[in-house]
Amino acid sequence: EPEVTQTPSHQVTQMGQEVILRCVPISNHLYFYWYRQILGQKVEFLVSFYNNEISEKSEIFDDQFSVERPDGSNFTLKIRSTKLEDSAMYFCASGLGAGGQEQYFGPGTRLTVT
Amino acid sequence: AQSVTQLGSHVSVSEGALVLLRCNYSSSVPPYLFWYVQYPNQGLQLLLKYTSAATLVKGINGFEAEFKKSETSFHLTKPSAHMSDAAEYFCAVTLKAAGNKLTFGGGTRVLVKP
Repeated sequence: EPEVTQTPSHQVTQMGQEVILRCVPISNHLYFYWYRQILGQKVEFLVSFYNNEISEKSEIFDDQFSVERPDGSNFTLKIRSTKLEDSAMYFCASGLGAGGQEQYFGPGTRLTVT
Repeated sequence: AQSVTQLGSHVSVSEGALVLLRCNYSSSVPPYLFWYVQYPNQGLQLLLKYTSAATLVKGINGFEAEFKKSETSFHLTKPSAHMSDAAEYFCAVTLKAAGNKLTFGGGTRVLVKP
C-alpha cells in the first residue's frame, strides 16, 4: 500500500542553523501539508500546498519557514534559522483532493534544536 | 474558526470493555470530522471520517462514531477493547468552506488493561 515517507526520522541541530525536512508524498496526490506537534501539545497545521503554490498557511508559518516541491516526488520544509521553540515532531501529509478528502500522514521527523 | 475539544487526555479500559472517547467541535459551518490513531513511533492513521452522509460512521478495527449536530459531538466507540487498541487517538475537523487544513483536538491516550 502506498505511504508517505519522511526523512530523517530524527534531526538534531543547533540554534540558528538551517534545516530541511524531506517528505515523499503518495505519488498521485495533489495536496500536500505540513503539521507539527510540540511535545505535550496539539498537532498544529503549518501550511498547505497545491498546484505548486501555498494555498493556506498558519500564523506559525512565518518568514523563517518555506516549502518547496523541487521535483515530481519530494516536498520539503525548510526552517532558515532554527529557534529552540521549533523543537517538535513535524508531520507531512498528502491527499487526493479537498473538501473532506482524507489526508495521509507520514511517520514524522523529530526535530531537536539545542 | 473551528476548534476541537477531546475530554480526557488519558483513558484506561479493561480488555473486552467498551471504549468511549469524547470529541466536541465548534464551527460556524457544516464540518467534516475525522478520527485518527497514532501508534508509538508511527504517523497518524485514519480510523474513520464524517462527510455529511450517514451520521453513524463505521471505521477500521471495529471503531465507529456518531455525528450529533445538536450536541456538536463526534464521539468514538468500540464495543470491546483489545490490547492492540492501546494508542493515542485524535479527533480533527475541517470546514467545507475553509480549505483543507485539519484542526486537531489534544488527543486521548488509551491504555488497555488485561
